[in-house]
Amino acid sequence: QKEVEQNSGPLSVPEGAIASLNCTYSDRVSQSFFWYRQYSGKSPELIMSIYSNGDKEDGRFTAQLNKASQYVSLLIRDSQPSDSATYLCAVNVYKDSNYQLIWGAGTKLIIKP
Amino acid sequence: KAGVTQTPRYLIKTRGQQVTLSCSPISGHRSVSWYQQTPGQGLQFLFEYFSETQRNKGNFPGRFSGRQFSNSRSEMNVSTLELGDSALYLCASSPWVDTEAFFGQGTRLTVV
Repeated sequence: QKEVEQNSGPLSVPEGAIASLNCTYSDRVSQSFFWYRQYSGKSPELIMSIYSNGDKEDGRFTAQLNKASQYVSLLIRDSQPSDSATYLCAVNVYKDSNYQLIWGAGTKLIIKP
Repeated sequence: KAGVTQTPRYLIKTRGQQVTLSCSPISGHRSVSWYQQTPGQGLQFLFEYFSETQRNKGNFPGRFSGRQFSNSRSEMNVSTLELGDSALYLCASSPWVDTEAFFGQGTRLTVV
């Protein structure tokens, strides 16, 4: 089992709809969770961080964390074509006596006008 | 506040040569991580430095090495370049360990 898993997509969502991106992780003691957006040919940029169970909202973005079920999700409301990108989930995992940031392979999101 | 700066942005090298890439983190950030990304691939972790010490290392051959200086600036070196080393190399800085990482624009290395 991979430490951090994401559906590679592509996930196609109509403009104006809600895009839902999911990420599961294997380490039960993980405490820090991050969502990044990466446009083609560019570097990843941080969208949200979440540390506690529940929802965290920032503008059109909502991160949801459920530690019992070991998943973290990102909702994008009122999706825009400019949201088309690859979304990366990153989780701090305890490994080799250290916490390391482990990355999912990313989900490609396509917003259709 | 200036972001993470990577130099050079683009580089073309010949097989067998070596290359050094540089990363200046955000002021005050003490952790620097390096990643390799090839087309269609996710981020492959190379190594992480904190306070001049390597904390973590990914599964890359010994040809890949790095270091961090007292001002938190970091360099990575790849010796005996291979065609497969062609990739986007990304540096990310964090204020501390286990906190958000902020990426530079990357160095695109092409090995011919």
